[in-house]
Amino acid sequence: DTAVSQTPKYLVTQMGNDKSIKCEQNLGHDTMYWYKQDSKKFLKIMFSYNNKELIINETVPNRFSPKSPDKAHLNLHINSLELGDSAVYFCASSQGTHSSYNEQFFGPGTRLTVL
Amino acid sequence: SQQGEEDPQALSIQEGENATMNCSYKTSINNLQWYRQNSGRGLVHLILIRSNEREKHSGRLRVTLDTSKKSSSLLITASRAADTASYFCATDDDNAGNMLTFGGGTRLMVKP
Repeated sequence: DTAVSQTPKYLVTQMGNDKSIKCEQNLGHDTMYWYKQDSKKFLKIMFSYNNKELIINETVPNRFSPKSPDKAHLNLHINSLELGDSAVYFCASSQGTHSSYNEQFFGPGTRLTVL
Repeated sequence: SQQGEEDPQALSIQEGENATMNCSYKTSINNLQWYRQNSGRGLVHLILIRSNEREKHSGRLRVTLDTSKKSSSLLITASRAADTASYFCATDDDNAGNMLTFGGGTRLMVKP
């Protein structure tokens, strides 16, 4: 009965490959997010997705594309992986877009290693 | 530099002592949140304080917010070994998409 789940937990791949990370939440939340945490533990927002409206952090390369088949899922697809993409990627969700409901629930993370 | 910078970056204390972590930010905010991250795990929400609030308590946690100084503090009283984790502040500055901006975190070690 995990609230926010991600698969896979670990992902090791070669430079240039394309990979996807899946995220599902069973909390009935309207908004989902993707974050990247680098080796120094800095956590940076990548995307916010609410009711099919996608808000993109402008610093995210367009090789990264979120895909949401429905409200409970937000997958992250990465094209042409680079060494600098190695990080831990966290999915999160929140009840809505009002700031009072912005407590976010995080998944366990996916550790991506690009060789 | 980042919105939501924590201070200190690392803190080591004995069990039973209090731990205080500080967070500074740059822009106007709707609210400020504190999260905990255990090693190898996702973040867990601890407490949210709104911009019109000055202090909030939750169990052994006490959070203060000073919007004039753009700073917040998290106090953990009577610390336990299980409190060992990284603690992050995050600000919601009323941007589109309700995206939070996280600081670099304070790594707290509580020695038994």
